[in-house]
Amino acid sequence: KNEVEQSPQNLTAQEGEFITINCSYSVGISALHWLQQHPGGGIVSLFMLSSGKKKHGRLIATINIQEKHSSLHITASHPRDSAVYICAVVIPNRGGADGLTFGKGTHLIIQP
Amino acid sequence: DTAVSQTPKYLVTQMGNDKSIKCEQNLGHDTMYWYKQDSKKFLKIMFSYNNKELIINETVPNRFSPKSPDKAHLNLHINSLELGDSAVYFCASSQADNYGYTFGSGTRLTVV
Repeated sequence: KNEVEQSPQNLTAQEGEFITINCSYSVGISALHWLQQHPGGGIVSLFMLSSGKKKHGRLIATINIQEKHSSLHITASHPRDSAVYICAVVIPNRGGADGLTFGKGTHLIIQP
Repeated sequence: DTAVSQTPKYLVTQMGNDKSIKCEQNLGHDTMYWYKQDSKKFLKIMFSYNNKELIINETVPNRFSPKSPDKAHLNLHINSLELGDSAVYFCASSQADNYGYTFGSGTRLTVV
């Protein structure tokens, strides 16, 4: 079983809808990232969280460390939000700078 | 200026060949990484490199070797390429505390 689980795997919604993508993890972490990968392939870091909530424009990310759960919300969704959203965690004490552990991603399509 | 640049963007080569992918970051970050994205779009850490300390994911074959001439560069050398090495390889960098995570645009490697 993957240490990072995302849901849903695929999501299709209409323009303007409120979107929620969930991420659960089974290990202790020091930080969690939300990443966006567009059809062209590039990966962009949207947020890094270690506690609480962050907001950037129409995007909101929350994390509950006790419940090992994070959510990414998109308000007033737009077709340009169509992308794969990936949850990734930093697992400490695996030895030095050992990178991110990823979920399998949520493929989001926003229809006009 | 591109923050994390990797070349080439596309690489098509025959089985058994040796190839390199270059990565450079101009962000002054302390840590650089190589990630592999397989055909199912799942990302996995291959290497991280921080202050001359290399951490290798144990699942990576020893045909893969990173080389870091300086803090701004982490190149990936692959010997005796196999069909299963076909994937998209992403270089990334971050500050020591995982802030400022930035990905390169990816190199699509196809082994024929």
